[in-house]
Amino acid sequence: DQQVKQNSPSLSVQEGRISILNCDYTNSMFDYFLWYKKYPAEGPTFLISISSIKDKNEDGRFTVFLNKSAKHLSLHIVPSQPGDSAVYFCAARTDSWGKLQFGAGTQVVVTP
Amino acid sequence: NAGVTQTPKFQVLKTGQSMTLQCAQDMNHEYMSWYRQDPGMGLRLIHYSVGAGITDQGEVPNGYNVSRSTTEDFPLRLLSAAPSQTSVYFCASSPGRGRTEAFFGQGTRLTVV
Repeated sequence: DQQVKQNSPSLSVQEGRISILNCDYTNSMFDYFLWYKKYPAEGPTFLISISSIKDKNEDGRFTVFLNKSAKHLSLHIVPSQPGDSAVYFCAARTDSWGKLQFGAGTQVVVTP
Repeated sequence: NAGVTQTPKFQVLKTGQSMTLQCAQDMNHEYMSWYRQDPGMGLRLIHYSVGAGITDQGEVPNGYNVSRSTTEDFPLRLLSAAPSQTSVYFCASSPGRGRTEAFFGQGTRLTVV
C-alpha cells in the first residue's frame, strides 16, 4: 500500500510561470520529506528537503511547503525553465538511516 | 568524483538465468540501498545496508540477494530471473545517521525474456 502518493502523473507549464507539484502521505511517522528530479536515462538527483518540524523550505527557485495536519506537501518552482522538464519524485523518510518511500512521480513539461 | 557507479547499464536475461548488478560508491557512505523503478509505481526499496556486513530487506525483496563485504560495494544478485523482474534498477548511497539525501547511480535497465 503506497504511503506516498503523487496523484498528478503529468503537468504542463509555460516557461516563466509557476509549477506546483503536489504530494500526499498517509504515515504520520514520516519525519523528513524530499524531492528528487529525474531526467531520462539518469538516476534521480536530490532537489530539496524539509523536516517535519518546519512548514517551508526555500532554495533558489524551489520552495517546498509542508502541511502536517493535511499530510500534504507541495513543491513550487518559480519561474519554470525548460531545463526543469523532468520527472519529479516526492519521498518520505521512514528511519534516521534514510529508508525512503517514493511517490509514483510527476512528469513536468515546460513549454516555451 | 565518481559518486555511485552501477554496471552494467543495460542487460537482457533469459528466464531462469542469474546475474549480479554491481554498485560501488567512493563517498565513504555507510548507507546503501537498491531500488527498482516500474511505470506508475515510483521507486521501491529492494534491500538496504547500514554498513559492511549488515543488510536487511526492503519492500520488494523476493528473488533478490545482497551482501556488503566492504563499505564501497553493494552488489544485487538475481537468483533466477523472471519476466516480473524486468525493470530499471537504481543503487543509492547516503551518509546515514540523520543525513538522508541519497545519491543515485545512473541505473541498470534489465529485461527478462
